[in-house]
Amino acid sequence: QQPVQSPQAVILREGEDAVINCSSSKALYSVHWYRQKHGEAPVFLMILLKGGEQKGHEKISASFNEKKQQSSLYLTASQLSYSGTYFCGTEILNYGGSQGNLIFGKGTKLSVKP
Amino acid sequence: NAGVTQTPKFQVLKTGQSMTLQCAQDMNHNSMYWYRQDPGMGLRLIYYSASEGTTDKGEVPNGYNVSRLNKREFSLRLESAAPSQTSVYFCASSRQGMTEAFFGQGTRLTVV
Repeated sequence: QQPVQSPQAVILREGEDAVINCSSSKALYSVHWYRQKHGEAPVFLMILLKGGEQKGHEKISASFNEKKQQSSLYLTASQLSYSGTYFCGTEILNYGGSQGNLIFGKGTKLSVKP
Repeated sequence: NAGVTQTPKFQVLKTGQSMTLQCAQDMNHNSMYWYRQDPGMGLRLIYYSASEGTTDKGEVPNGYNVSRLNKREFSLRLESAAPSQTSVYFCASSRQGMTEAFFGQGTRLTVV
């Protein structure tokens, strides 16, 4: 039930772009994206809801393909502050709504170098 | 503006001891969650509570129990701690299941 994230790790130079993917074997109600810095709690970035409504974060965007049960997070013109581990979280679709839980992938470690 | 508060922040237990991790949120959220985080495993859901009075098992519930004491508080109990339960534990809450989750600062638990 845990969504699969790829890649596991990415190393970028400042200004480069990155894409992180998340796929689920279950039909999804929503996909969340979070970033965690070392030693800190995860922090919300974005949520993508079934039906297309999206809430977001400036300079970071995401897509949600409901049919393929996949989401991708796009980080453009990366900054040093983008470094951290990115997690996707999924809510399983249940009778048209959310099952009520939030299951996370194993994470993608992003390192941005000067 | 406390958000989600977890106590304690650090704990060392001996194998077989019991303890309760406390979590409280002041945002009037309906949903609350307990996760454990281990290297390379991501955040794994232990239990969740979609509303006051309900609790459900997550991915890794064995060895744990929970109580949704009221809308604000959601506690996690280890009845007989094992070294495999050494981990960082995070509590989180959200207004409903489809809105952003806010995390507490975590409890680093070591079982020796």
